[in-house]
Amino acid sequence: NAGVTQTPKFRVLKTGQSMTLLCAQDMNHEYMYWYRQDPGMGLRLIHYSVGEGTTAKGEVPDGYNVSRLKKQNFLLGLESAAPSQTSVYFCASSYSLRDGTDTQYFGPGTRLTVL
Amino acid sequence: EDQVTQSPEALRLQEGESSSLNCSYTVSGLRGLFWYRQDPGKGPEFLFTLYSAGEEKEKERLKATLTKKESFLHITAPKPEDSATYLCAVRSQAGTALIFGKGTTLSVSS
Repeated sequence: NAGVTQTPKFRVLKTGQSMTLLCAQDMNHEYMYWYRQDPGMGLRLIHYSVGEGTTAKGEVPDGYNVSRLKKQNFLLGLESAAPSQTSVYFCASSYSLRDGTDTQYFGPGTRLTVL
Repeated sequence: EDQVTQSPEALRLQEGESSSLNCSYTVSGLRGLFWYRQDPGKGPEFLFTLYSAGEEKEKERLKATLTKKESFLHITAPKPEDSATYLCAVRSQAGTALIFGKGTTLSVSS
């Protein structure tokens, strides 16, 4: 049981390049989330999904797109990377929003640098 | 606006020196308060969830408590391996996602 996995672990992009971050979970969780973590700030939600085929905006969605074509995968895309998107990106998943099953489990993160 | 404030930002302890971390929150209808541990270069690791005032949970040297305005993470007789950043997060009645504090970085020296 691998939990939540993320690929790649590290990536360096030039301004204007595009890329996709992949998140996979093997816990049969319905909900999946993408956060970014920057120095001096808490984790902030970018986008989330409440089930296969659904996506919704979080606190800081600008410059990112997401897709959830399969229940176990959640993709985060950057169409035209900017230096302000240099950050560590974390994916998380949870079973539901009901008390006792709403714990979010996090992946190991992707460290992205945009030059 | 939902908000989470953690204090102190950093805490240095000697091995065996017990202390507490604070998480103050303002949220429109608390659905859950979550504590995570994060080691450098890794993702947050789940520790506890608390749902109602008065609730307490324990795991090894850690004990989390909850009131209507704040939560405490008590660390009893810490060891160097307890060194990490501890994150607090809340979920509101209307919210799907977690609102995180900035964390408390704990350093325990032997």
